[in-house]
Amino acid sequence: AQRVTQPEKLLSVFKGAPVELKCNYSYSGSPELFWYVQYSRQRLQLLLRHISRESIKGFTADLNKGETSFHLKKPFAQEEDSAMYYCALSRGGGSNYKLTFGKGTLLTVNP
Amino acid sequence: GAGVSQSPRYKVAKRGQDVALRCDPISGHVSLFWYQQALGQGPEFLTYFQNEAQLDKSGLPSDRFFAERPEGSVSTLKIQRTQQEDSAVYLCASSSLAGRRDGYTFGSGTRLTVV
Repeated sequence: AQRVTQPEKLLSVFKGAPVELKCNYSYSGSPELFWYVQYSRQRLQLLLRHISRESIKGFTADLNKGETSFHLKKPFAQEEDSAMYYCALSRGGGSNYKLTFGKGTLLTVNP
Repeated sequence: GAGVSQSPRYKVAKRGQDVALRCDPISGHVSLFWYQQALGQGPEFLTYFQNEAQLDKSGLPSDRFFAERPEGSVSTLKIQRTQQEDSAVYLCASSSLAGRRDGYTFGSGTRLTVV
């Protein structure tokens, strides 16, 4: 069975500092990885996905199959980045509609 | 509608009571999903509908949980004889694409507290 691990429940950085939210996964096949974000009092929304290799709001994430990781990075954190971040995995094949989420990391960016 | 709408936003139920949670997906969205999010956890998959067909109910934790989408639009998640471990936020999501996970739009959720 697939599993997503986010080792940090809480992460606190200062504005302008680099930030890295860690995500490790276990899955024997070829997964697709996503980052979801939930800002205060807002609904869960997709931030980015590894297949599109895009940068959203300055965030990037690279899938490292050797280390089974998909860490989320931003070189200069902003206060508006404060939110709950969830890493999620989808299997390939017929069950690719199902997402397996990690427990989330609460990022606080201090002024 | 403009987004996925869930009602009620909050529900307090006495242990043993039956509850029904409603999800109004975005109009025309083919796929509909229910997830359960316990406190301090990430969302966990419950069930998936494509139009009115329930294609996957493997995540429903027990036979007390039942979901339906009779006309392929609104969906209801019903929990019978609620237990304290059912306390969670229940999230609904819809997608315009059949069976695709990257087109999800989530609702705000229903927070169920069983006392």
